[in-house]
Amino acid sequence: DAKTTQPPSMDCAEGRAANLPCNHSTISGNEYVYWYRQIHSQGPQYIIHGLKNNETNEMASLIITEDRKSSTLILPHATLRDTAVYYCIVRVESNFNKFYFGSGTKLNVKP
Amino acid sequence: NAGVTQTPKFQVLKTGQSMTLQCAQDMNHEYMSWYRQDPGMGLRLIHYSVGAGITDQGEVPNGYNVSRSTTEDFPLRLLSAAPSQTSVYFCASSPMHRVRGTNEKLFFGSGTQLSVL
Repeated sequence: DAKTTQPPSMDCAEGRAANLPCNHSTISGNEYVYWYRQIHSQGPQYIIHGLKNNETNEMASLIITEDRKSSTLILPHATLRDTAVYYCIVRVESNFNKFYFGSGTKLNVKP
Repeated sequence: NAGVTQTPKFQVLKTGQSMTLQCAQDMNHEYMSWYRQDPGMGLRLIHYSVGAGITDQGEVPNGYNVSRSTTEDFPLRLLSAAPSQTSVYFCASSPMHRVRGTNEKLFFGSGTQLSVL
């Protein structure tokens, strides 16, 4: 399974867009990119996922580069409640949904 | 629907004691898994199951046993607790649809904080 690399922490001003990068240079054609977040010590929460195309839902947008070696999660208007650890995960469909979590990015949204 | 329910929320054990962490889901998900999360680290997969009667090891299976007698339940057993098993444990479940990319998300429980003294 492809590994991911994320910065350990990032800051963002409240109301501004938060752009969280993720590198997955060894991703293969059947691997999806997922994003989860974990607020304090709660269970991780699903945000968004995609294969090739950019995706948007009510929480965020996911931009995947054309070569699929990196992606960016965009929170369009960050709030203090978005302060959390964000995990970028690459999943192989044939591995029956095994998700491998790295250390993630701690996003600090500041007033 | 309750989603994924874990019990207990907190537990303190002495070294050598045994216990079972409970996990139940009411979404009829085929896939269930257990993760542990140590302070400041990401989640690591302990064991997983793709259906009743089927289990397999993850990254860090040593010291843990699982079974899957029903679709709903996936208990995690610590046979002889050790201080190294002090951690937060998360149970997760997911449907396993055959259509690619659809509804294949992990749903997590709220966690069990375990301390082994």
